[in-house]
Amino acid sequence: SQTIHQWPATLVQPVGSPLSLECTVEGTSNPNLYWYRQAAGRGLQLLFYSVGIGQISSEVPQNLSASRPQDRQFILSSKKLLLSDSGFYLCAWRVGLAPDTQYFGPGTRLTVL
Amino acid sequence: AQTVTQSQPEMSVQEAETVTLSCTYDTSESDYYLFWYKQPPSRQMILVIRQEAYKQQNATENRFSVNFQKAAKSFSLKISDSQLGDAAMYFCAYRSGQGAQKLVFGQGTRLTINP
Repeated sequence: SQTIHQWPATLVQPVGSPLSLECTVEGTSNPNLYWYRQAAGRGLQLLFYSVGIGQISSEVPQNLSASRPQDRQFILSSKKLLLSDSGFYLCAWRVGLAPDTQYFGPGTRLTVL
Repeated sequence: AQTVTQSQPEMSVQEAETVTLSCTYDTSESDYYLFWYKQPPSRQMILVIRQEAYKQQNATENRFSVNFQKAAKSFSLKISDSQLGDAAMYFCAYRSGQGAQKLVFGQGTRLTINP
């Protein structure tokens, strides 16, 4: 069965520090991968998605970037964190076959102080 | 661009009773999918139910069912025999049948179950 991992689970970082969040998927090949952010008390907003290695699409201009160095690895990064980057970050995967649904990882809670 | 609206920020229901959560969406597409996700306190997003727009029959998963009104662009979730474990944030989501098929989420409804 497929499994999705995210780490770290919780992160507290000072403003201006770098960021690297990792997401890996097991048990599937060539998944579509997605990074979402959830601000406190709000819905999810898509940040990036990837349909293959090295292929990244950005949904909103921001202080973050994403990379996909391997088929089942998706990384969210920042060179200098802002206070507004605080939130809950969720990675999701999908394979384009029935049931054709996005499944989410456990998430990373990021607090920027 | 597609939008999803959940007009009920909070709902509550007595245990064992039935509750309906509302969702409306806006799109000009004919090929799309609709989802309800549950987010418990652990904050992991869990798929509750999905509906293909081309299907007229409403989806059902055990105690969870939807009322899909395509012309009205409405997609409500009914939870029957509510249980304490149903307490969570519920998000309605839309996904296009084309392109990378990203999910567009509503703002969520917080459901409280009263014992």
